[in-house]
Amino acid sequence: DQQVKQNSPSLSVQEGRISILNCDYTNSMFDYFLWYKKYPAEGPTFLISISSIKDKNEDGRFTVFLNKSAKHLSLHIVPSQPGDSAVYFCAASAKKGSQGNLIFGKGTKLSVKP
Amino acid sequence: KAGVTQTPRYLIKTRGQQVTLSCSPISGHRSVSWYQQTPGQGLQFLFEYFSETQRNKGNFPGRFSGRQFSNSRSEMNVSTLELGDSALYLCASSPILASYEQYFGPGTRLTVT
Repeated sequence: DQQVKQNSPSLSVQEGRISILNCDYTNSMFDYFLWYKKYPAEGPTFLISISSIKDKNEDGRFTVFLNKSAKHLSLHIVPSQPGDSAVYFCAASAKKGSQGNLIFGKGTKLSVKP
Repeated sequence: KAGVTQTPRYLIKTRGQQVTLSCSPISGHRSVSWYQQTPGQGLQFLFEYFSETQRNKGNFPGRFSGRQFSNSRSEMNVSTLELGDSALYLCASSPILASYEQYFGPGTRLTVT
């Protein structure tokens, strides 16, 4: 049973517009969420995170929103740039201090068209 | 600062063989985690090492093992390879055990034929 789901395997957006990547989870014990970005032939790169005590965290063009009641989080990229084209992984954890409990979604491939 | 390095980058093995993958963490990082990435399962946690001790283990068979050396470098070994072991194996390092903000290497692409 997948505890972290990224239901859209791919997303295509025009440069300058907003990209919204979604992630749903089933485990109500998850208390920390992260987004990673992965370019081809490279390892994932940490992008942004959010604790369950918050509902929004912003870092430059990237904002993560958390809706605990809906068990849903989203990553907004505004404005989108061609260099943002990559696979984005959502991850969640229910136990602080243990990568063993970091559960990843299967990723969403974002394509930003010039 | 140099990033996480993994060797080799690509590997082709035959069913039944064994393989050893290597990971050198960022200088000063003491935690090393290993992940398997496949198209069907995404990123799955294998194990984590900190100060030469395995701290956490994912849900993988005993054919998957690892170790960490005193300089924090880590190796992962897979014995009796199966076709389903074909995947990208990623190593990630962190400065401390409790950090979620891991730094990933480029991975080793293992193909089992």
